[in-house]
Amino acid sequence: DAKTTQPNSMESNEEEPVHLPCNHSTISGTDYIHWYRQLPSQGPEYVIHGLTSNVNNRMASLAIAEDRKSSTLILHRATLRDAAVYYCILRTQTGANNLFFGTGTRLTVIP
Amino acid sequence: NAGVTQTPKFRVLKTGQSMTLLCAQDMNHEYMYWYRQDPGMGLRLIHYSVGEGTTAKGEVPDGYNVSRLKKQNFLLGLESAAPSQTSVYFCAVRLAGGYEQYFGPGTRLTVT
Repeated sequence: DAKTTQPNSMESNEEEPVHLPCNHSTISGTDYIHWYRQLPSQGPEYVIHGLTSNVNNRMASLAIAEDRKSSTLILHRATLRDAAVYYCILRTQTGANNLFFGTGTRLTVIP
Repeated sequence: NAGVTQTPKFRVLKTGQSMTLLCAQDMNHEYMYWYRQDPGMGLRLIHYSVGEGTTAKGEVPDGYNVSRLKKQNFLLGLESAAPSQTSVYFCAVRLAGGYEQYFGPGTRLTVT
């Protein structure tokens, strides 16, 4: 299964943008890039996903490198409620499209 | 979000005891998953189901069994609990053809 590499932890000041990086150098042409986040004591929740083009939704933006070997999740204005572990996951298009979680990036938001 | 509930929320077992965790959904989602999460780790897939009456092994299936007799329920069984199975267990569901997994609140299991 294709692997991703993320920093263990990051900090951000409240109301500032946050850029969470992810490296996925072994990505295949049909793998989607998914981001989930896990708030303390909760199950993960979907944030965003993309294939080749940059994507925006109400929660975040996803910037995908042209060679697709890396991506960046962008939170435009971090709030205290955004403090969570963020997982970058490659989802294959074969089989049951299962997700394989790494250890993620723990984001701390400083008031 | 899909309504995904897990029963029980907490449980303490002694080594060798058995138990069943229930995941129930109130949406008509075909895919259901069981994950475990150990402290400081990401989630690992135990078993999954792509529809009623079907199950398949994930990354870490040993020591667990599952059943999907009804579309809305996915059961995870531990026949003889071991301390290594102390973990938080999450259930998730996904619509066939969909891209988002919806997770339940988790069950915290301690095996002493």
